[in-house]
Amino acid sequence: GENVEQHPSTLSVQEGDSAVIKCTYSDSASNYFPWYKQELGKRPQLIIDIRSNVGEKKDQRIAVTLNKTAKHFSLHITETQPEDSAVYFCAASNFGNEKLTFGTGTRLTIIP
Amino acid sequence: SAVISQKPSRDICQRGTSLTIQCQVDSQVTMMFWYRQQPGQSLTLIATANQGSEATYESGFVIDKFPISRPNLTFSTLTVSNMSPEDSSIYLCSAQKGANEQFFGPGTRLTVL
Repeated sequence: GENVEQHPSTLSVQEGDSAVIKCTYSDSASNYFPWYKQELGKRPQLIIDIRSNVGEKKDQRIAVTLNKTAKHFSLHITETQPEDSAVYFCAASNFGNEKLTFGTGTRLTIIP
Repeated sequence: SAVISQKPSRDICQRGTSLTIQCQVDSQVTMMFWYRQQPGQSLTLIATANQGSEATYESGFVIDKFPISRPNLTFSTLTVSNMSPEDSSIYLCSAQKGANEQFFGPGTRLTVL
């Protein structure tokens, strides 16, 4: 089955700086890669996703890049703000098998 | 997106009892899933709730322990049976809308004494 590794497990950045979280996956058939943000005590929220037919996708301060050859994808957050502090999870799945396999999570702390 | 609610939001139960968690979606969805999340950990898929047929369980999870129902396209239940303290966790349902996009319910925080 699919295995998703996520790094780093914790990340602290100064407010206004950029944050990057990286994930690798094992199943070459995976073609859908979402990112979830989970604040303390809250549900995971889908913040951005990418499909294998594109290499990059942006939504305001958030971007995701995908390298299918290397089987890794990354979340980039620019101009970080205190409200970006949360745990971020990457995941992978493929069409026809919609089960999501999650990474282990990254606890992002924005230092004011 | 989808609006998903879960009941109860939390419960404290005695060892050996069972708890049924309900998940309601505001619109029809193709797929519904149940996850478990230990404090500070990632999400682990328990099973896919199939409408009109038996759920599909992941390795390590069995129907006798986690029976699941899905009577229609907007509702599902997960029962945690014969509970032990090791079952203390957050249980989340999710629903898939569109192509692969999954949205989560608020979770049920279960404590077993």
